[in-house]
Parts: sequence; C-alpha cells; structure tokens
Amino acid sequence: AQRVTQPEKLLSVFKGAPVELKCNYSYSGSPELFWYVQYSRQRLQLLLRHISRESIKGFTADLNKGETSFHLKKPFAQEEDSAMYYCALVPYGQNFVFGPGTRLSVLP
Amino acid sequence: KAGVTQTPRYLIKTRGQQVTLSCSPISGHRSVSWYQQTPGQGLQFLFEYFSETQRNKGNFPGRFSGRQFSNSRSEMNVSTLELGDSALYLCASSLDGKNTEAFFGQGTRLTVV
Repeated sequence: AQRVTQPEKLLSVFKGAPVELKCNYSYSGSPELFWYVQYSRQRLQLLLRHISRESIKGFTADLNKGETSFHLKKPFAQEEDSAMYYCALVPYGQNFVFGPGTRLSVLP
Repeated sequence: KAGVTQTPRYLIKTRGQQVTLSCSPISGHRSVSWYQQTPGQGLQFLFEYFSETQRNKGNFPGRFSGRQFSNSRSEMNVSTLELGDSALYLCASSLDGKNTEAFFGQGTRLTVV
C-alpha cells in the first residue's frame, strides 16, 4: 500500500539555521510528490511539487527514487516559516496520500 | 477568483445525529475530494467526486457518504454520529483530480458531544 512517513512530529530550529523536513514514501510506481503547508489559522496550501523543480519561499525538495525520499530543505530558516508541513504522494490515478505532518518552529 | 468555500465553519452535534457539510469548489474545477483531519490520524482521504460520480473512496465506514451536483458543489453526510467523528473536515478541489494541484477550503470543524 502507498504510504508517506514524516519521522519528525516537531522540528525546532533557530532563525538563520538550515532546516530539513524529512519525507519518505512507499510506492512501486512513478511517484507524484508534493509539499503542502498550513500556517496558523490559514488553509492548507501547496508549497511545491517535484515535477516543477522550482524553489518557493526559499524551499527546495529533491526526489530521490533510490532512497524513496522527498525531503524539504531551506538553507536559512525564517520565523515566518513556522507552520505545519505535509508531504503528499499521488499514486497514478488515485488521490493524495498525506504524511502525518511535521510542525516546524523557527525560534528567534 | 474565489477559493474553495466550506460551510458551515463550525458545528456541534450530539451522538446519533446526522450532519451535512457543504463544499463549493473553485469555478471550473470538476474534482472535489474530502478529507478528515484529526490530531491523532492526520489527514485521511474520505472520497473524491468527479462529474457527479464518486471516483475514489477511502477506508471509512458507510456512515460517511457524499454527493456532487451538476455545478460541482459537493456535500458530505455523516449519519449516526460518534464521538470519534469529531474532526476538521477539509474539502479540496482541482481541475480534474489527476495529479493536479489541489486547493483546500478552510474546513468545517465538527464537534460531536
């Protein structure tokens, strides 16, 4: 069965420090992967998707098929990055499978 | 353009009652998916509707049902409510539901007492 794991429930870093939010998936096919973010009192919104290979708000994510990972990275964390981050997999022809989420807290 | 709108935003119901939640997708979007979000289970997929037909279904009991109208608006119904149904119910719309970006509503917070 398809599954997404995010090993850290909470990740705290200091402002200006690098941050990496881990995401691993299990899927035998070619994956479509996304990162969604939910800021306090806001709706869940797309941060980035792997096929676009773009950087949003300084975040990047690289798909590593060998390690079945799609970790989210940012070299210098900002306080406004504090939010809940969800990694999501879309198996072919199916709907989103979300990971449990990681709460990122960026400390001043 | 207007985003995904869910009504009502908050609901309190008692055990055994039933509830209907509504979702209006972004104009032009034909796929509407529903998710249950709880602290313990995270985001879990309930079902997806496309062109008035249920296309995918998650692992929820039959008490959870839905439908979609010709204007793509969708409703979700939960019958015989249980305490464990207390959750944030999110609706997401997308153009076709196939690997395209999903836009989420603010959610309906359901509390069962």
